[in-house]
Amino acid sequence: GAGVSQSPSNKVTEKGKDVELRCDPISGHTALYWYRQSLGQGLEFLIYFQGNSAPDKSGLPSDRFSAERTGGSVSTLTIQRTQQEDSAVYLCASSPLAGGANTQYFGPGTRLTVL
Amino acid sequence: GDSVTQMEGPVTLSEEAFLTINCTYTATGYPSLFWYVQYPGEGLQLLLKATKADDKGSNKGFEATYRKETTSFHLEKGSVQVSDSAVYFCALSERGQGAQKLVFGQGTRLTINP
Repeated sequence: GAGVSQSPSNKVTEKGKDVELRCDPISGHTALYWYRQSLGQGLEFLIYFQGNSAPDKSGLPSDRFSAERTGGSVSTLTIQRTQQEDSAVYLCASSPLAGGANTQYFGPGTRLTVL
Repeated sequence: GDSVTQMEGPVTLSEEAFLTINCTYTATGYPSLFWYVQYPGEGLQLLLKATKADDKGSNKGFEATYRKETTSFHLEKGSVQVSDSAVYFCALSERGQGAQKLVFGQGTRLTINP
């Protein structure tokens, strides 16, 4: 079946602009995660959605970052007033259930470049 | 907080060599352990996992054993191929309620020469 998809695959923006990154999880997966992969910081957790529960936002680096998940499916990560340090690959993952033993399936990522 | 430490790369080997990539972890609870692999130009994909002590995860000739006493999950393969060239990430995920985020090591870049 279809895997996790993300769009756009690449995004170049100017400092100070807002960007939206989209994630379509695997159908039926209840848990959705956002991570960031950057040269200096490696792979970092950003935010997690599980069903109708309140999201865990503990990994968001600043209040310029926000995310929502509509209808328990598609998720959008929004970065306001982008800065050069936001340049990274943003990865989305989904999992059929919550719980640490469950495999997370990753999308191909969105490469964000802030000029 | 939880953390994962991997051996530093890059690692360069010849085809058919034996591979070990060391991974140790620090966790407050009793985590599940994973190895993810990122092939050139591709996304992260699960290579293998183990969810309790002494479990051995295996896939594509790779193996790793969950060692609680040494808090380790070293990745091994007896005979590597050129197609194994990739970046390998060790990761853990805590059990229990709430967000079971993955905590990753810094990654080890592996290059296999023919």
